[in-house]
Amino acid sequence: DAGITQSPRHKVTETGTPVTLRCHQTENHRYMYWYRQDPGHGLRLIHYSYGVKDTDKGEVSDGYSVSRSKTEDFLLTLESATSSQTSVYFCAISEPARRGEDTEAFFGQGTRLTVV
Amino acid sequence: GDSVTQMEGPVTLSEEAFLTINCTYTATGYPSLFWYVQYPGEGLQLLLKATKADDKGSNKGFEATYRKETTSFHLEKGSVQVSDSAVYFCALSDRLGTSYDKVIFGPGTSLSVIP
Repeated sequence: DAGITQSPRHKVTETGTPVTLRCHQTENHRYMYWYRQDPGHGLRLIHYSYGVKDTDKGEVSDGYSVSRSKTEDFLLTLESATSSQTSVYFCAISEPARRGEDTEAFFGQGTRLTVV
Repeated sequence: GDSVTQMEGPVTLSEEAFLTINCTYTATGYPSLFWYVQYPGEGLQLLLKATKADDKGSNKGFEATYRKETTSFHLEKGSVQVSDSAVYFCALSDRLGTSYDKVIFGPGTSLSVIP
């Protein structure tokens, strides 16, 4: 299994509180991603990073911020959690490949976040 | 921009039935194509992949052929089992120049196989 650890695995928080989810990798992959998965919406990209301090928005970035101060850690922060952010959050990593090689994404086990 | 489209689910099949899950893509470069599977309560894991046109990826009885002319990568299995019940995601990683860009996923297709 790829070395990806998400923490916490489960969290219940109150509306309006800040929440930070952590993704830690031991693979030294350049790309890291945060997705949310909701019934009827599949997997939606929140933010991704293509290097230390290099991040970009995905399709559902409102209400979320990210930081990547070192290669192995990618943090997702909900500044003020809302009930609509109740979801399962997945971290993924990938490494851009050179010509003639291929690449794939590896996923963490997910974090189930409930905002009450 | 690059995108992946999958057939809407959920798909319900009887055991030993034939499975097809359609996937089409839009890409600006020369993408690699992937199918991922997510079993209940777990993260996504790679099922199979193909890196160039006419390549066939296969694993666990599943197959998918990279069709550049139709920009498709349909997933097939000749005889499904109850243990194949899962959500299946089509994905691509486009190639721009000499390196690959980020991985892009389709919305997923839920499959339920009943005995």
